[in-house]
Amino acid sequence: AIQMTQSPPSLSASVGDRVTITCRASQGIRNDLNWYQQKPGKAPKLLIYSTSTLQSGVPSRFSGSGSGTDFTLTIAGLQPEDFATYYCLQDHIYPLTFGGGTKVDIK
Amino acid sequence: EVQLVESGGGLVQPGGSLRLSCAVSGLTVSSSYMNWVRQPPGKGLEWVSVIYSGDTTFYSDSVKGRFTCSRDISKNTVYLQMNSLRADDTALYYCARRNSYGSGSYGIDVWGPGTTVTVSS
Repeated sequence: AIQMTQSPPSLSASVGDRVTITCRASQGIRNDLNWYQQKPGKAPKLLIYSTSTLQSGVPSRFSGSGSGTDFTLTIAGLQPEDFATYYCLQDHIYPLTFGGGTKVDIK
Repeated sequence: EVQLVESGGGLVQPGGSLRLSCAVSGLTVSSSYMNWVRQPPGKGLEWVSVIYSGDTTFYSDSVKGRFTCSRDISKNTVYLQMNSLRADDTALYYCARRNSYGSGSYGIDVWGPGTTVTVSS
């Protein structure tokens, strides 16, 4: 199975900060990479699919980039509602695999 | 509006079995890629299984041979039969739709609220 290594596991940031989360795949996955946001007690929410395409309704401060094995989620100007845990998911090949998650909390 | 509602979770002893259900409305399971994803308490997400056209299924290595995914098109419902349950199967189990087309995907975009499975003696 493809391993997804996500970093950092956690970070502290302030409102307005620019935040970057990375995901590395153990083998090439083209651009078949999604990003999810999860808040406590809630199901995950799709933010970005195919590396860089914003899901409908997701604010434009979220962006994704990368290809092959290295991918990045950027939040430009962190908002109070963005404090959550973020996961990457490769959907290039089954079994699908998630990264370990990045918890973004308030500094 | 698309809705997925899981049920069937509960407390089961190690080695026991449980069947989860996912009742779907707003889309048809016969033409959808229906997944199960789980999350152990306080931990990250783990993809478990998928079922799609022609009853094709795939499983994670951790559940292969123990879990079976199926669907009832007449009830528009997906199931996850879980056998030989272990303590590390304890988790919140989500049913979710992967919005796929041909060889591509728009991501896993619809999720149910989840049902909790606890494996303990």
